[in-house]
Amino acid sequence: DTAVSQTPKYLVTQMGNDKSIKCEQNLGHDTMYWYKQDSKKFLKIMFSYNNKELIINETVPNRFSPKSPDKAHLNLHINSLELGDSAVYFCASWSAAGESGELFFGEGSRLTVL
Amino acid sequence: AQSVTQPDIHITVSEGASLELRCNYSYGATPYLFWYVQSPGQGLQLLLKYFSGDTLVQGIKGFEAEFKRSQSSFNLRKPSVHWSDAAEYFCAVGPLHSGGYQKVTFGTGTKLQVIP
Repeated sequence: DTAVSQTPKYLVTQMGNDKSIKCEQNLGHDTMYWYKQDSKKFLKIMFSYNNKELIINETVPNRFSPKSPDKAHLNLHINSLELGDSAVYFCASWSAAGESGELFFGEGSRLTVL
Repeated sequence: AQSVTQPDIHITVSEGASLELRCNYSYGATPYLFWYVQSPGQGLQLLLKYFSGDTLVQGIKGFEAEFKRSQSSFNLRKPSVHWSDAAEYFCAVGPLHSGGYQKVTFGTGTKLQVIP
């Protein structure tokens, strides 16, 4: 069973289009994240939701809108796609165990904007 | 603000040789530190983490890391590298917020190449 699953895995689209990436986790975690990994492999946090509530919102263009219908799902919608949005987007969830914990990552969604 | 520096972008080692990947962090309080590994086309997998206690942490796949507060470092080591260890390695730091969640910041990664 996949713990954190993202769809689609690959997405190729034209500039100006709108696209969504979906993420689901079956781990029962309360907190989920979106990270963006650019062509140089740099991972940057974008958003985080805790039990459907937005708790982290980094400096991300407002063309990016996350939505969490329930704590097991965190989707990412991107409007008016630009060339610079091409990247791999990773969804993750946080397991908290007392003071310890870790991020569990999905396999990523590679977005290519032409 | 927290930050992580991985000074080595790319490292090449021979199979069977020892490995040390460097990581320095910047954070005002006691940090929570992680090492993740990313194989090509894959997501990230946790190798090990430090939250408190023993500063020498053992992880999966024979990796270990040592937290040195005086040097703000959390270097990753492995005594004998296998060809399957070739991957991208990320060091990360995160404070624990009152809500029980983490804002984890990643370094820029070190690409490990293993030669026969």
